[in-house]
Amino acid sequence: GQQVMQIPQYQHVQEGEDFTTYCNSSTTLSNIQWYKQRPGGHPVFLIQLVKSGEVKKQKRLTFQFGEAKKNSSLHITATQTTDVGTYFCAGSNTGNQFYFGTGTSLTVIP
Amino acid sequence: DAGITQSPRYKITETGRQVTLMCHQTWSHSYMFWYRQDLGHGLRLIYYSAAADITDKGEVPDGYVVSRSKTENFPLTLESATRSQTSVYFCASRGRIGLAGGVIQYFGAGTRLSVL
Repeated sequence: GQQVMQIPQYQHVQEGEDFTTYCNSSTTLSNIQWYKQRPGGHPVFLIQLVKSGEVKKQKRLTFQFGEAKKNSSLHITATQTTDVGTYFCAGSNTGNQFYFGTGTSLTVIP
Repeated sequence: DAGITQSPRYKITETGRQVTLMCHQTWSHSYMFWYRQDLGHGLRLIYYSAAADITDKGEVPDGYVVSRSKTENFPLTLESATRSQTSVYFCASRGRIGLAGGVIQYFGAGTRLSVL
């Protein structure tokens, strides 16, 4: 079956440092989405990538979709305490089901 | 209120009991999903539904039953709860971003279930 792996599982950074989480799929994806879940909260949609090699930015967040459409990354520049939470990627190859990665839990130390 | 709501937010039950988790959405989204979230496993799909009276198994359906008699409701039932079903359960519905955008999932606030 389809698998979406995400690394690292946990990341602790000092406030102001950069952070990156990586997502890898065992199969080619039609698109990939990223979600953020604050502690005690529910996943909230951040962005969707569809095209091979696509790069999108949201303020300090940069999202990339690999050329082969099998991997993706989320990079946060100069982390802030508001960035704390778990970041999930979710890949789809059919559009009906999204397979979520295991998530990366980010802790930002003030 | 518009959106997707889950009830109850917290539930404690005993092994062997039947438990039903409710999910209600006001957007008339066709697709709805049930996930469970466990440490180290991320979000795993239990069941999903493409429309009223159409349901399908996800990655971890064993021990769960769903129904979708109305578009807006998608209850999840644990017929005989086991300790391994202790988890946080999220319901989601799928809708478009804007008129021509992609489809994304909107999650409910979750139900934290403990099976003793």
